[in-house]
Amino acid sequence: QSVLTQPTSVSAAPGQKVTISCSGSSSNIGNNYVSWYQQLPGTAPKLLIYDNNKRPSGIPDRFSGSKSGTSATLAITGLQTGDEADYYCGTWDSSLSVVVFGGGTQLTVL
Amino acid sequence: EVQLLESGGGLVQPGGSLRLSCAASGFTFSNYAVSWVRQAPGKGLEWVSGISGNSGTTYYADSVKGRFTISRDNSKNTLYVQMNSLRAEDTAVYYCAKGRYMVAATTGFDYWGQGTLVTVSS
Repeated sequence: QSVLTQPTSVSAAPGQKVTISCSGSSSNIGNNYVSWYQQLPGTAPKLLIYDNNKRPSGIPDRFSGSKSGTSATLAITGLQTGDEADYYCGTWDSSLSVVVFGGGTQLTVL
Repeated sequence: EVQLLESGGGLVQPGGSLRLSCAASGFTFSNYAVSWVRQAPGKGLEWVSGISGNSGTTYYADSVKGRFTISRDNSKNTLYVQMNSLRAEDTAVYYCAKGRYMVAATTGFDYWGQGTLVTVSS
């Protein structure tokens, strides 16, 4: 059971927009920065978003992050078949003094 | 170019020990926290342990506390984790991941190694 809650799977058609939610509590998302990762099959995770809404260089602006209270959201617009992957949210938990990840969301581009 | 290269994985019996290494290059290693993150077969990401840039602070997941020890040698640009009393549930791909800041109490791992597989089985 993950500390952060994500939907198991989401799907959308090419070109459409999808959002992935990440729900936590005041000890983690509510008071710490959130990051998002993309993991393509058989590869290491890749940082998509850090500090809630910042994109590393090289990440297209089709990917965006937001946070409100104890929840965070990753939005992907203009979906491409190459976006099919597992997506994870992560943050620091101040009460547990650990990094916590969501259980991951599998994105299918239909 | 930032690179992280893990080594030391393999097959070990339950109760055994293993030390993983992560050789870093392409950035000033001592300026950044680094962590170990693992992924069991078919499962999600699980953070294992993190260490600050100057080794002043270390953190551990409850699942490994007392059994794993993280350390780093900034003169060799290398991260380590000593894993003792290994259990079947420790079987996973272990990644080292570079943090964006010197402090370990945060996320935002901007570079990851390719991972090394640890299998705990008799």
